[in-house]
Amino acid sequence: TQLLEQSPQFLSIQEGENLTVYCNSSSVFSSLQWYRQEPGEGPVLLVTVVTGGEVKKLKRLTFQFGDARKDSSLHITAAQPGDTGLYLCAGGAYNNAGNMLTFGGGTRLMVKP
Amino acid sequence: EAQVTQNPRYLITVTGKKLTVTCSQNMNHEYMSWYRQDPGLGLRQIYYSMNVEVTDKGDVPEGYKVSRKEKRNFPLILESPSPNQTSLYFCASSLLGAMNTEAFFGQGTRLTVV
Repeated sequence: TQLLEQSPQFLSIQEGENLTVYCNSSSVFSSLQWYRQEPGEGPVLLVTVVTGGEVKKLKRLTFQFGDARKDSSLHITAAQPGDTGLYLCAGGAYNNAGNMLTFGGGTRLMVKP
Repeated sequence: EAQVTQNPRYLITVTGKKLTVTCSQNMNHEYMSWYRQDPGLGLRQIYYSMNVEVTDKGDVPEGYKVSRKEKRNFPLILESPSPNQTSLYFCASSLLGAMNTEAFFGQGTRLTVV
């Protein structure tokens, strides 16, 4: 089983601060997805990156896929209370029976006004 | 509206009493899967299905069963629930091949086994 480790597990910051969440593995993934989950809801896809070194921006969120496709980061600029939630990375890879998404343990972010 | 619907949202049951959690999607997706979410462990895949009558074990299949008789439905069955199956469960669907395509999740089923 391929493992994805996210850090930090918890993050509490003030509105306006910047933050970075990391997603690391010793395995290579064909793609890396980031999801955001709010209380009482299922995860919702934010972005998919597929090329080593790829950088994608979504308003104040910047996602990067490592050159070796083993790690990824999510950077939030000027965090807002609305960014509060659980952020999950998920690596995509083929196994013998097809393909599978492996999820990291998640980073719970709280942005205080 | 494209969605994945799970029922029930909340369930409290006793050890050993068989239960089924239903999952239905309206997007004609081939790929469906079940996850459990526990604090600090993220989402762990229980079972997945690549199409009708095709199912396979994920990372944590013990104590669970699934069936895929129709493309839209993918029920999760606990034949004899135990307290260690207390968790938050999510059903998800996507186009064939979960890697580069978006996984759509249901709202979750919070199960407590006493």
